[in-house]
Amino acid sequence: EPEVTQTPSHQVTQMGQEVILRCVPISNHLYFYWYRQILGQKVEFLVSFYNNEISEKSEIFDDQFSVERPDGSNFTLKIRSTKLEDSAMYFCASSASLGEQFFGPGTRLTVL
Amino acid sequence: AQRVTQPEKLLSVFKGAPVELKCNYSYSGSPELFWYVQYSRQRLQLLLRHISRESIKGFTADLNKGETSFHLKKPFAQEEDSAMYYCALSGGYQKVTFGTGTKLQVIP
Repeated sequence: EPEVTQTPSHQVTQMGQEVILRCVPISNHLYFYWYRQILGQKVEFLVSFYNNEISEKSEIFDDQFSVERPDGSNFTLKIRSTKLEDSAMYFCASSASLGEQFFGPGTRLTVL
Repeated sequence: AQRVTQPEKLLSVFKGAPVELKCNYSYSGSPELFWYVQYSRQRLQLLLRHISRESIKGFTADLNKGETSFHLKKPFAQEEDSAMYYCALSGGYQKVTFGTGTKLQVIP
């Protein structure tokens, strides 16, 4: 059964550094998403992406964040200059249409 | 604004006892409601959605628009049901709003 995959599983970085989190959505899906979960808190929506552009984003998704689909398979989340409060679990998800979203296993980002 | 409230952080029940995980929502239109489950060391996965009205692993959930609730129920808890359960809402667009989650602990 096809699954969403994410790399790396754990990323450690220094404050102020750029990080790129990678996701490979399910191949025939058209909608792509990023969520994050700060330790002990709820899963929060960051951004959705459809037809090669951002279709919706939350207030968390400020100018420090960007998303890209550089080729036909990858979907990336870039954080330009990481802050301590960016430490969280980042989940990628994809869906074939509006409705059920399939989640990846997550990337744990630790900012020191 | 859309909001999902799960009042219990932890729910402990004995094996064989009934389970009810509470979820209330706030949304001005007609939302789609979901329950996601996350077993230990596994990814978030969809457990059920209100429009399908099916029972998965013995769990059911009924959307009550009057009470704006979507409680998750199972008549007899099993040890393998121990997990984090998240109620979630979609307003018909792409954003899904999650509740804070309830950890279900089934005591053998």
